[in-house]
Amino acid sequence: DAGITQSPRHKVTETGTPVTLRCHQTENHRYMYWYRQDPGHGLRLIHYSYGVKDTDKGEVSDGYSVSRSKTEDFLLTLESATSSQTSVYFCAILPGQGHHGYTFGSGTRLTVV
Amino acid sequence: GEDVEQSLFLSVREGDSSVINCTYTDSSSTYLYWYKQEPGAGLQLLTYIFSNMDMKQDQRLTVLLNKKDKHLSLRIADTQTGDSAIYFCAESGGSSNTGKLIFGQGTTLQVKP
Repeated sequence: DAGITQSPRHKVTETGTPVTLRCHQTENHRYMYWYRQDPGHGLRLIHYSYGVKDTDKGEVSDGYSVSRSKTEDFLLTLESATSSQTSVYFCAILPGQGHHGYTFGSGTRLTVV
Repeated sequence: GEDVEQSLFLSVREGDSSVINCTYTDSSSTYLYWYKQEPGAGLQLLTYIFSNMDMKQDQRLTVLLNKKDKHLSLRIADTQTGDSAIYFCAESGGSSNTGKLIFGQGTTLQVKP
């Protein structure tokens, strides 16, 4: 299985501060995704990447930016955190040919106070 | 737009069968997926079905697909307490070349001993 790690696992931050979440994969898969999970909403796509420096918006991208300067790392940044961004954030990769569906990271629980 | 709907909660007794239902809107979806999320963990792929299939069986899991009604179900036979989790339905939509998945809200399965 593809190795995928998210950091940090938990974070508490204050409203208005910038926050960066990291997703790291070990197997050079092309596609990577950031989702947020909220009760009653399931998982909603924030941004995704289809290669180094190639990213696109998902359905809930407002207030978030991403960067992918290396194949293995996909960073999600909240430029100025708000309480509505309190959530659990999941990174996922698409392993590619011969596989179906995503492999997910363990998640980052972010609380904005 | 694309949408996936699930009921939020299901409670069954250990040893009974569980049926979790899902409806989706995008008839161009190539694949439909079921994921399982245990407390504090990321999502794990349980099974998937290709859109030209009506049924897929994998040990205790049976997936039924009704394309006409855009209805997907997951049946778990002989449900065990270890099956207690949140179950997510997801569709690939018409964007299978980007790998984006649309998730339902998740169904919490409670298994009583």
